[in-house]
Amino acid sequence: DAGITQSPRHKVTETGTPVTLRCHQTENHRYMYWYRQDPGHGLRLIHYSYGVKDTDKGEVSDGYSVSRSKTEDFLLTLESATSSQTSVYFCAISEDGGRYNEQFFGPGTRLTVL
Amino acid sequence: GESVGLHLPTLSVQEGDNSIINCAYSNSASDYFIWYKQESGKGPQFIIDIRSNMDKRQGQRVTVLLNKTVKHLSLQIAATQPGDSAVYFCAETLKAAGNKLTFGGGTRVLVKP
Repeated sequence: DAGITQSPRHKVTETGTPVTLRCHQTENHRYMYWYRQDPGHGLRLIHYSYGVKDTDKGEVSDGYSVSRSKTEDFLLTLESATSSQTSVYFCAISEDGGRYNEQFFGPGTRLTVL
Repeated sequence: GESVGLHLPTLSVQEGDNSIINCAYSNSASDYFIWYKQESGKGPQFIIDIRSNMDKRQGQRVTVLLNKTVKHLSLQIAATQPGDSAVYFCAETLKAAGNKLTFGGGTRVLVKP
């Protein structure tokens, strides 16, 4: 998975609790992305980062926040988890999102919100 | 592992036959089109891409065809093998939109021995 790890790989939590997912890369790539994958929707972009402390919203950003304090780590936070955020979350990286570049994906995190 | 989807269109193909996976894309201004393969429990894996000014591109056992007139993309897999069983996604990217990927819904390919 191109030097990308995600943690945790599985998590079950309750509605209203905060949750943070971590993506860690060893490729020193500038761009990092968070996607969610749901049946019938394919992958949808939540947030992305184009550098340390530089982030922007994607297609489905409501209810999520992100932070990137180091090149290698990109955190996705659900401030107050809801059942609609039950999904599989994938992190991706690319060398330079300013021009088309292949995105490499991590192994995913399955999140269940009860 | 992580499930991809419960209601994906499915293509069943005999081992050794050729597979053709189709995708209709949405934005005629997209710059690149990409095919990803996702095996059960794993993240998507890049297969091949094609730039919008091309009609055809070949890789190892795979060919991507682009028909801009009808906004249609296809992936052909030659001599399909059991390891090709997976979900296949097409994606498009637009430079003016920051090169973010927009994914299609996916097609499940099942290879029968």
